[in-house]
Amino acid sequence: ETGVTQSPTHLIKTRGQQVTLRCSSQSGHNTVSWYQQALGQGPQFIFQYYREEENGRGNFPPRFSGLQFPNYSSELNVNALELDDSALYLCASSPGTNQGADTQYFGPGTRLTVL
Amino acid sequence: GDSVTQMEGPVTLSEEAFLTINCTYTATGYPSLFWYVQYPGEGLQLLLKATKADDKGSNKGFEATYRKETTSFHLEKGSVQVSDSAVYFCALLPRNAGNMLTFGGGTRLMVKP
Repeated sequence: ETGVTQSPTHLIKTRGQQVTLRCSSQSGHNTVSWYQQALGQGPQFIFQYYREEENGRGNFPPRFSGLQFPNYSSELNVNALELDDSALYLCASSPGTNQGADTQYFGPGTRLTVL
Repeated sequence: GDSVTQMEGPVTLSEEAFLTINCTYTATGYPSLFWYVQYPGEGLQLLLKATKADDKGSNKGFEATYRKETTSFHLEKGSVQVSDSAVYFCALLPRNAGNMLTFGGGTRLMVKP
């Protein structure tokens, strides 16, 4: 069974640029959630996708957007990057069998540095 | 809103010592509770979970019991190893009221040989 994978592993961008991060969910999972983890802090929920529809959003501005594809993989897009966007971005997938109460399994993360 | 509070680290122990990391939560209703572990440079790994009051989650010698009366989910291990050195996160998932995990700030554990 393949776990959650993310790409790229590391990324360096400059302020004002745009970035796309990718996530492949665990086999059999149809729900993907994205989290931002600043250095030394716990992860913060960005949004979740369930069967290609956004299914909940945290306290992040609209320049954070996402997509989920028919194979349940997902993208996180961030426009107009700011220095504070530097963080580890984590993707988690869950089976979607009990929406709202499923265990979430995390990928290794993408480390984004904004200069 | 929902919140999770963990004891501040770092926690430094000698190998084979007893470990307790405290976690308390505030939530509407009865959430599911989780402990995740993060090794240096890696993502989060699920360590254990409990979905209702008095449930005990356990894995790899770690245990935590869902205490509704004290809104706590403390992590314990009887004998830590150097390989347990990592950051531990307590988290809650609301039941039927949302789908976002709310995490505590994390507790760094350092185990010395």
